[in-house]
Amino acid sequence: DAGITQSPRHKVTETGTPVTLRCHQTENHRYMYWYRQDPGHGLRLIHYSYGVKDTDKGEVSDGYSVSRSKTEDFLLTLESATSSQTSVYFCAISAYTSGLEQYFGPGTRLTVT
Amino acid sequence: AQKITQTQPGMFVQEKEAVTLDCTYDTSDQSYGLFWYKQPSSGEMIFLIYQGSYDEQNATEGRYSLNFQKARKSANLVISASQLGDSAMYFCAKPSTSGSRLTFGEGTQLTVNP
Repeated sequence: DAGITQSPRHKVTETGTPVTLRCHQTENHRYMYWYRQDPGHGLRLIHYSYGVKDTDKGEVSDGYSVSRSKTEDFLLTLESATSSQTSVYFCAISAYTSGLEQYFGPGTRLTVT
Repeated sequence: AQKITQTQPGMFVQEKEAVTLDCTYDTSDQSYGLFWYKQPSSGEMIFLIYQGSYDEQNATEGRYSLNFQKARKSANLVISASQLGDSAMYFCAKPSTSGSRLTFGEGTQLTVNP
């Protein structure tokens, strides 16, 4: 199994508060991704990173920011959480050059009340 | 934007029978591939199988095979000899032109009945 951890695994927060989710990998893969999963929508890409300090937006990036200061860590921040951001968040990694498949972390269930 | 379509929200199959899960895609890329992932009720996403559009033979991984039909723009997942543990949500996904991103379909919930 790919060495990917996410923290926290579960979080309940109030509308308007900032939230940061962490993804940590031990595989030294170049690419890291944040997705959200909602019923009826499959997985949708929020942001991704193709190297330290190199990030780009996905299809549902509004209200989210990311940072990657080390190869192994990719942080997703909700600056001011809203109820529409209640979701399950998955981190994924990819070596990319040796294969396009992505390997996923266990997910974080975030509830914004 | 790419569009990946899984037209079967739910599928049922008897244990030990084969089942085909449909996936169609919209692309103008000349070279591309398709992935299938499995998500059991426990929630993790598991990579199952991949095939590139120029691979001549359909990919096979154990009981999973990918029926790739480029002219129809479809890449269906075939599970042979279904087992109770195959009950899960299955997602089809296609890489972007650069290969750096994946677009997922909405998924098919497969239930294997004893």
